[in-house]
Amino acid sequence: QQQVKQSPQSLIVQKGGIPIINCAYENTAFDYFPWYQQFPGKGPALLIAIRPDVSEKKEGRFTISFNKSAKQFSLHIMDSQPGDSATYFCAATITGTASKLTFGTGTRLQVTL
Amino acid sequence: DAGVTQSPTHLIKTRGQHVTLRCSPISGHKSVSWYQQVLGQGPQFIFQYYEKEERGRGNFPDRFSARQFPNYSSELNVNALLLGDSALYLCASSRRHSGGGDEQFFGPGTRLTVL
Repeated sequence: QQQVKQSPQSLIVQKGGIPIINCAYENTAFDYFPWYQQFPGKGPALLIAIRPDVSEKKEGRFTISFNKSAKQFSLHIMDSQPGDSATYFCAATITGTASKLTFGTGTRLQVTL
Repeated sequence: DAGVTQSPTHLIKTRGQHVTLRCSPISGHKSVSWYQQVLGQGPQFIFQYYEKEERGRGNFPDRFSARQFPNYSSELNVNALLLGDSALYLCASSRRHSGGGDEQFFGPGTRLTVL
């Protein structure tokens, strides 16, 4: 049972472009939505996170847009750089429960020169 | 400060064997969670331990077990290994046991290959 669906599976953009990664969730009890970045051979690292009471959150070049009614959220990377090439995972969890993150299937991003 | 450490880095086992993976959380973190990441997929939650007690369990068979020690380090044990257990096993630590805003820090993982 996949509770968080992520797309696209892979993405190639040129340097300076704005890749957009989309996620949709099913469980309306989810109330915390983090995004993780994973480089080969490394564990996932938290990039940015959002709660459903806000529609957008920006941290540096990373922006999350959140649509509670559609149960969808997305990650935008502004002015993308080759160093951003990695796999990105969206995730969701429920505050107050065990620290159980439900992850999407991941998006492999390649930023070309 | 040292991050989450895991050992071993890589491991090769044969079907039917058992394996023990180890994790040391960030100093001051009392919660440890284990995830399985199959190649090309997102991590799947296996267990969470907080203050040496199991606080959450994912949809994994009883062949998977874990424990947390008084120093908050943790072991993940998998018995009767199957080919499908081949994956990257990730450990994550956090200060508290509840999700939502309590950032989980992941270790680099243990790559398990079952032949």
